[in-house]
Amino acid sequence: QSALTQPPSASGSPGQSVTISCTGTSSDVGGYKFVSWYQHHPGKAPKLMIYEVSKRASGVPDRFSGSKSGNTASLTVSGLQAEDEADYYCSSYAGSNNNVFGTGTKVTVL
Amino acid sequence: QVQLQESGPGLVKPSETLSLTCTVSGYSVTSGYHWGWIRQPPGKGLEWIANIYRSGSTYYNPSLKSRVTMSVDTSKNQFSLRLTSVTAADTAVYYCARIDWNPDYWGQGTLVTVSS
Repeated sequence: QSALTQPPSASGSPGQSVTISCTGTSSDVGGYKFVSWYQHHPGKAPKLMIYEVSKRASGVPDRFSGSKSGNTASLTVSGLQAEDEADYYCSSYAGSNNNVFGTGTKVTVL
Repeated sequence: QVQLQESGPGLVKPSETLSLTCTVSGYSVTSGYHWGWIRQPPGKGLEWIANIYRSGSTYYNPSLKSRVTMSVDTSKNQFSLRLTSVTAADTAVYYCARIDWNPDYWGQGTLVTVSS
């Protein structure tokens, strides 16, 4: 059970968009509709942003959107704001009540 | 509002057993969903450790399976984690979470350091 692959970093200026990829296999990302995305500020609990690939969690701005194609899921943050600067992790159901997380992406707002 | 709170020793000696408890409020652990543990070593990413269902059925990360045990105490609305034979590599912030296919509600996390 290997970690899902994310780019280590991504950045954009305020108002721009940034897209983060999350690549797994047919045994996790590609095999289920259960991919979630989390925003994580150091010292705080991870915050659920997206679940079931593209559904926004309660209270999450519509600037955040999710999608999936094959074994790769993506999170897009549109209209970047300073408060979006954080670490982002994907997570996928991997069958047999197992879960697997991505390697994490640090998003910087320039 | 579902809330989770981890508790347990912040320092564990090498080769000993790490024990943590997660207390759930605002939702009964018997009402459904799985419950799980996730950890984050310093400077590294999140790692799924294990899940448990209200029935007591458990599911473990294969890389940790030989050292991990989860249990649930429905009378206290808590679930617990035991990790045996710890080493410095087990130093991490440990989170408990409710699992709805993936974690949805998380605790604040507790730092456990393995050191003599």
